[in-house]
Amino acid sequence: GDSVTQMEGPVTLSEEAFLTINCTYTATGYPSLFWYVQYPGEGLQLLLKATKADDKGSNKGFEATYRKETTSFHLEKGSVQVSDSAVYFCALSEDGATNKLIFGTGTLLAVQP
Amino acid sequence: NAGVTQTPKFQVLKTGQSMTLQCAQDMNHEYMSWYRQDPGMGLRLIHYSVGAGITDQGEVPNGYNVSRSTTEDFPLRLLSAAPSQTSVYFCASSPRGGRRTEAFFGQGTRLTVV
Repeated sequence: GDSVTQMEGPVTLSEEAFLTINCTYTATGYPSLFWYVQYPGEGLQLLLKATKADDKGSNKGFEATYRKETTSFHLEKGSVQVSDSAVYFCALSEDGATNKLIFGTGTLLAVQP
Repeated sequence: NAGVTQTPKFQVLKTGQSMTLQCAQDMNHEYMSWYRQDPGMGLRLIHYSVGAGITDQGEVPNGYNVSRSTTEDFPLRLLSAAPSQTSVYFCASSPRGGRRTEAFFGQGTRLTVV
């Protein structure tokens, strides 16, 4: 079945460092790909998405490119801030009838001042 | 802008007790879902609904019931709580079907079964 694998955390960075969180997926069809972010004590919110190969999703300085050839959707940010500290989830959606999301295990990012 | 509202935020149950987790959305979304979040496992789909009166099972439905009598509400019932149901529960809604559609999440309910 479909699955999402993302790098283990926690990831600890200093402010203004470069961030990469790796995400790869397995899917039988042609999924849409998402990054959701969960700030402490809150629910998940959409950070960015891409719906076809070579699409780049971007938001709040974060970017991710849908790479069909490597089945990847890595999250990047050039300069992280303390306020970016959160859990980041990579997810895919393939079943348009149910809108079911398949999530990775989440990566905790801690940014130190 | 309320969005998706879940109550309660925290709950402690004894094994064998029953309870209902409430979920309401004010965005007139057709699709609603319940997920549970466990350490090291991401979020897993429990039940979902594609409209009022229509529900179906997700990946981990055992021990849970749902109903959808209105567009706004999608309660999740634990019939006889077990320690394995200790988890954080998230309700989500989407405006329509389709793999491109974003899901909107509530703030979660942290449930502990002792």
